Amino acid sequence: QKEVEQNSGPLSVPEGAIASLNCTYSDRGSQSFFWYRQYSGKSPELIMFIYSNGDKEDGRFTAQLNKASQYVSLLIRDSQPSDSATYLCAADKLIFGTGTRLQVFP
Amino acid sequence: GAVVSQHPSRVICKSGTSVKIECRSLDFQATTMFWYRQFPKQSLMLMATSNEGSKATYEQGVEKDKFLINHASLTLSTLTVTSAHPEDSSFYICSAVPTMNTEAFFGQGTRLTVV
Repeated sequence: QKEVEQNSGPLSVPEGAIASLNCTYSDRGSQSFFWYRQYSGKSPELIMFIYSNGDKEDGRFTAQLNKASQYVSLLIRDSQPSDSATYLCAADKLIFGTGTRLQVFP
Repeated sequence: GAVVSQHPSRVICKSGTSVKIECRSLDFQATTMFWYRQFPKQSLMLMATSNEGSKATYEQGVEKDKFLINHASLTLSTLTVTSAHPEDSSFYICSAVPTMNTEAFFGQGTRLTVV
């Protein structure tokens, strides 16, 4: 069974620090990976997607993919309290991890 | 980005009644839409994949006769929860994909409470 795994957290970081969120996947054939942010009671919203090995940067966010090790990560630089949410990793749009709750404290 | 509208956002119904949830892609055509259910503090669980003009594909453990999915057009999919029970109370979310190899866009979600 295809699985995507994340540490449920919470991950607590101080404002201005780098938050590192990790995700592993079981299906070596997975091609595309997505990071979504979900605030409590709201729908997920896409932050980034990545298809190729290596890093992809977008503003304060960097997604990293390592297909050999089957993990994908999301780095959030200069974390802000407004970044506090649950971050969901997804493979191929369909398979979601359980999410990691991020708390950024002032 | 593309917009997916889901309606209603909240619904309260009596046990034994049916509830219909609509998912519309407003500015693109979606041959495929997905329906998810999310219980409190849990992740999104895929219920079914809805394909325009054909029968939906249900995930294991999801009763197709209880969760009726209709995808009659390229911009509309509906989920009907039939004979709802309190254990069906959950957050239901749809998503739509404009084309292959693009991200999924989510509706706002529907909070269903069965009393």
